[in-house]
Amino acid sequence: QVTLRESGPALVKPTQTLTLTCTFSGFSLSTSGMCVSWIRQPPGKALEWLARIDWDDDKYYSTSLKTRLTISKDTSKNQVVLTMTNMDPVDTATYYCARIPSSSSGEWFDPWGQGTLVTVSS
Amino acid sequence: SYELTQPPSMSVSPGQTARITCSGDALPNQYAYWYQQKTGQAPVLMIYLDSERPSGIPERFSGSTSGTTATLTINGVQAEDEAAYYCQSTDSSGAFVMFGGGTKLTVL
Repeated sequence: QVTLRESGPALVKPTQTLTLTCTFSGFSLSTSGMCVSWIRQPPGKALEWLARIDWDDDKYYSTSLKTRLTISKDTSKNQVVLTMTNMDPVDTATYYCARIPSSSSGEWFDPWGQGTLVTVSS
Repeated sequence: SYELTQPPSMSVSPGQTARITCSGDALPNQYAYWYQQKTGQAPVLMIYLDSERPSGIPERFSGSTSGTTATLTINGVQAEDEAAYYCQSTDSSGAFVMFGGGTKLTVL
């Protein structure tokens, strides 16, 4: 069974750096074609894709946020970490990590973690 | 920038057919994917590669594409189908993801 779980602070102050960890089980990020992405959703709003990391350590970032994002992986720990710098209240959202089962076939997310709500406020 | 456009909301009565559309210029060349999100829950994959249904997803859910429009069809809508539905695709390079704005489906 494939599962993912997000963890990190529930509250950060403006200008601080957010660090989120996605811990997963049921698959290996060293398997060819496997990828993990981060996606966020502000309260009451639509989903927004943030970043992706591939089994071969290739990385992709949202064009609008790439200067603030860093994605990395620790294959031995089955973890993917996302950092976002210079947090602002507009970054308040539920942050999800999700698996891409086979990037060679297409880019779909299955399954998703439960999400973690991050509030940016002083 | 590339966008996917969905109607913000739609309503159907139980047993009717719901068709949720998603429009985007890259859709003729990129696959469409669909997710269901119930209130307070994470999204769930409903359709991948335009029309494939993951195991465990009811047969009343189907997907299709024509030109720049992808469609999620729900035949015989049930009360439990009330949710927000999001389409997703990638840009022409295939590496960058975008989501539609979501369609809130209300079952009357």
